[in-house]
Amino acid sequence: QKEVEQNSGPLSVPEGAIASLNCTYSDRGSQSFFWYRQYSGKSPELIMFIYSNGDKEDGRFTAQLNKASQYVSLLIRDSQPSDSATYLCAVIPSGTYKYIFGTGTRLKVLA
Amino acid sequence: EAGVTQFPSHSVIEKGQTVTLRCDPISGHDNLYWYRRVMGKEIKFLLHFVKESKQDESGMPNNRFLAERTGGTYSTLKVQPAELEDSGVYFCASSQVTGLNTEAFFGQGTRLTVV
Repeated sequence: QKEVEQNSGPLSVPEGAIASLNCTYSDRGSQSFFWYRQYSGKSPELIMFIYSNGDKEDGRFTAQLNKASQYVSLLIRDSQPSDSATYLCAVIPSGTYKYIFGTGTRLKVLA
Repeated sequence: EAGVTQFPSHSVIEKGQTVTLRCDPISGHDNLYWYRRVMGKEIKFLLHFVKESKQDESGMPNNRFLAERTGGTYSTLKVQPAELEDSGVYFCASSQVTGLNTEAFFGQGTRLTVV
């Protein structure tokens, strides 16, 4: 079992729709969870992080964390073609400060 | 403010040769990380410096890889001798503090191709 799992996609959504990106992790002691966005050939850039159960909203983005289910998700409301990118889920497991990444989900927002 | 910069952006070398990758973190960032993405796989951790000290090098694949961070500023990652399976994109990241909820800023990566 991979430490962090994501569906590689592509996930295609129409412009204006809600895109839902999901991530599961295996280390139950993990404490911090990050969503990075990466455009092709560019550096990953942080969208948001979450460490408490529940929802965290920032503009059009909402991160959701459920530690009991070992599940973290990212919702993108009013999706735009410029949101088309690969979304990387990263987890900091217990006892460490390094990121463990999933393979990323490729999102396509269709105009 | 300059971000994390990596040199070179691309490198093509022959198997058996040596390559040195360089990373300049954001000024003032004590933490520096190296990661690698092999084609089709996830980005994987290689090692973590705090200033000039190696905090965690558990991800280094083998002793052909040597990372240094002179004076706690820039870092180099040397691969000697390079093998075909070393091909991939090498990312450097830096963060200001060591912590669980600290954002790491990534460079654009060095794409290494070993032929």
